[in-house]
Parts: sequence; structure tokens; C-alpha cells
Amino acid sequence: DTAVSQTPKYLVTQMGNDKSIKCEQNLGHDTMYWYKQDSKKFLKIMFSYNNKELIINETVPNRFSPKSPDKAHLNLHINSLELGDSAVYFCASSQYNYGYTFGSGTRLTVV
Amino acid sequence: EDQVTQSPEALRLQEGESSSLNCSYTVSGLRGLFWYRQDPGKGPEFLFTLYSAGEEKEKERLKATLTKKESFLHITAPKPEDSATYLCAVMNSGGYQKVTFGTGTKLQVIP
Repeated sequence: DTAVSQTPKYLVTQMGNDKSIKCEQNLGHDTMYWYKQDSKKFLKIMFSYNNKELIINETVPNRFSPKSPDKAHLNLHINSLELGDSAVYFCASSQYNYGYTFGSGTRLTVV
Repeated sequence: EDQVTQSPEALRLQEGESSSLNCSYTVSGLRGLFWYRQDPGKGPEFLFTLYSAGEEKEKERLKATLTKKESFLHITAPKPEDSATYLCAVMNSGGYQKVTFGTGTKLQVIP
């Protein structure tokens, strides 16, 4: 059973479209995250939720909106996609100060 | 702002040739330093957490150490399957426990 699963794995879409990425964890962790990894492999935090409450909201365009219906799920909706949004998006979860468990990533390509 | 710098950017080793990867950091109060391994097309995989200067952790051919300014990941007698990108990250002691990643060291072990 996959610990942190995110779908889809690949997403190719045109500029201006709206898309969503879903994430689910079965580890019972309290905190979930969205990270963006650019072409240079740099991982940057976007959002963090703890028990469905938003606790980290970095400088991200408001076209990006996270939603956490329960502590096992954290989805990412992106409006009006732009070329610069192309990247790999990772969902992760953690408990307390322990290391993260990452999903396998969603490669978003905006054309 | 918290900062993590990893060196070298890339490292090529012969099988059995031991070496070290460096992670220098500045953080407003260190809660933990993490090492991850990332294989191509996959999410980062958690390796170690170090919490205080002087601490060491080992796993197979890997050994992580921590000082007040940097961490080292020592690789003893590496094998080709150790080839991956190794990421370092720090968690600050602020209320939101924000984690900042470095850009990684891409390790290639040649048979």
C-alpha cells in the first residue's frame, strides 16, 4: 500500500486551463505539504496543513489554492495555468519533527 | 531567512571510493537537519534526522554527522546503486517548523 499517493503522475495542459492534483496519505500523519521542484531540482515549500488547518502559505500566486477535506487528504487546484507553472509538484506528510514521506510527484507541463 | 548550501553539485566516484558530501546551513534556531535520497522520477526518500551538534547516524554505507554550521554525509565504499541525488534540509524552531531544502548533490558511482 502506497504511503503517500498523488494523482495524476503526469499532467499536460494548455495555458489558461484549470487543473487539480490530488494527494492522500495512509500514515496517520497530522501534517501535509505541497512542494514545487523546478528544473534545477530545487524543492520549495508552497503550503502546509496541520489537521486540516493551513499553517504555511509561502509567496505563491493566488491562482494556487490548496484544500484539505480531512487530515489524510490535501489537494492542489491551479487556476489559469501559465508556462512558468511547469514543474514537478510533490505532496508530503510528516509527524512532529520527523522526516517527510513524499509522494512520487506530479509532472505538470503547460504548453 | 534560512539557507542551505550543498557541495559539490555533482560527484563522480569509482565503486569503492569513499567520499563526503557537504551541507552548510544558516537557520534561525535548528530543530532538525534532514538528509534525503532522490532517484530520477521519484520523490525524495528520507534517510536521517540529526538534532544537535555532535550527533551521528548510520545506515549501511552512509553516515551523517552534524556540527553547528554544517553536516556531512560520508559514503564508505559506495556501490553503483548508491547513485542518486542527495538532498539536505533544515527545520527551524519557529512555530510553523518550516523546512528549507538545499539543491542537492548528484552522486554517480561507476562500476
